[in-house]
Amino acid sequence: NAGVTQTPKFQVLKTGQSMTLQCAQDMNHNSMYWYRQDPGMGLRLIYYSASEGTTDKGEVPNGYNVSRLNKREFSLRLESAAPSQTSVYFCASSEGQGRAFFGQGTRLTVV
Amino acid sequence: QKEVEQNSGPLSVPEGAIASLNCTYSDRGSQSFFWYRQYSGKSPELIMFIYSNGDKEDGRFTAQLNKASQYVSLLIRDSQPSDSATYLCAADSGNTGKLIFGQGTTLQVKP
Repeated sequence: NAGVTQTPKFQVLKTGQSMTLQCAQDMNHNSMYWYRQDPGMGLRLIYYSASEGTTDKGEVPNGYNVSRLNKREFSLRLESAAPSQTSVYFCASSEGQGRAFFGQGTRLTVV
Repeated sequence: QKEVEQNSGPLSVPEGAIASLNCTYSDRGSQSFFWYRQYSGKSPELIMFIYSNGDKEDGRFTAQLNKASQYVSLLIRDSQPSDSATYLCAADSGNTGKLIFGQGTTLQVKP
């Protein structure tokens, strides 16, 4: 049972480049989340999806877009990466009551 | 002001002592509260959740919720060095399904 799988694990981008972070879960959860984690800031919600076909902004959505492709997959896209987007990104899924399971994280550096 | 607030610490306790971690939240609509543990370089994992006022015990962990005071706490009895980690408090924002985290409290348990 893989749980929540994120790809890639590490990425270095140049300023202005674009990329998509992929996330897939095999637990049949309805809710999925994207967070970023910076030192001393805890986890900050970027986007949230309550179910397939729905997405909602979180605390820090600027500079990001998301797609809930199907029930399993929830991708996060950076259209024009900036150094301020250097962070660790976590995808999570839950059965809808906040009991979330997290992926292993993607360490993104924008130079 | 963040919706969920924690003291970032570090909180240092001797082995065998009780560690007390605290969290406050601002949205009175929130109904569900969670404690996640995160080891350095790893993903957060759920350790406790609480929905009703009062105490909830699970092994060495006790979660406490006081909705009138908008206060959540986590007690760890008989603290062990393996409990050294960052503890993240989270709330289901306005009962919408959006999971909002505090900045986390670093706990150090000294042998």
